[in-house]
Amino acid sequence: GEDVEQSLFLSVREGDSSVINCTYTDSSSTYLYWYKQEPGAGLQLLTYIFSNMDMKQDQRLTVLLNKKDKHLSLRIADTQTGDSAIYFCAVRLSGGYQKVTFGIGTKLQVIP
Amino acid sequence: DAGVIQSPRHEVTEMGQEVTLRCKPISGHNSLFWYRQTMMRGLELLIYFNNNVPIDDSGMPEDRFSAKMPNASFSTLKIQPSEPRDSAVYFCASTPGASGEQYFGPGTRLTVT
Repeated sequence: GEDVEQSLFLSVREGDSSVINCTYTDSSSTYLYWYKQEPGAGLQLLTYIFSNMDMKQDQRLTVLLNKKDKHLSLRIADTQTGDSAIYFCAVRLSGGYQKVTFGIGTKLQVIP
Repeated sequence: DAGVIQSPRHEVTEMGQEVTLRCKPISGHNSLFWYRQTMMRGLELLIYFNNNVPIDDSGMPEDRFSAKMPNASFSTLKIQPSEPRDSAVYFCASTPGASGEQYFGPGTRLTVT
């Protein structure tokens, strides 16, 4: 099955850029997602990218996809304390139904 | 839209009791997912439905867990009998279609003593 890997922890200073990385194993992945989870809440979809795209930008968020290396990243520009949360990478394979494989989540700590 | 609705938000029960968690997906979404989240194991997919039909229940930990989706607007996850190791946050999510993005409910925090 699909494996999705992320580092567990990232610490950045307020105002800096954050880059959260993710690798996956199955090259037939179609959609790739980033979710944010704040304490005590459910996962919130931030953005997603289709596998035929290399980059997607949405305000402070930039998603980069390197299909050759099976690497996905999320860049948050001008990181704020409100960005402190756990960020999950998730991948959906082609065919079949809507099943998505989630990574373990990266905890982002923003230092004021 | 109210989003995915889960009830109860918190449940505390004693070992051996039956627990029923409820979920109302977003109207028009055709797939529904049940997840369990713990510190030790992260987010685990338990079961998912497409058009009310269970597609993959391989993540259901054991026979004590069962899930139903009697119609497009309601699903339940039942644990009978409950055990302390079932303590976790249980999430329900639904998805509208081809792109597969999932919308999560706020979760039910289950504590089994």
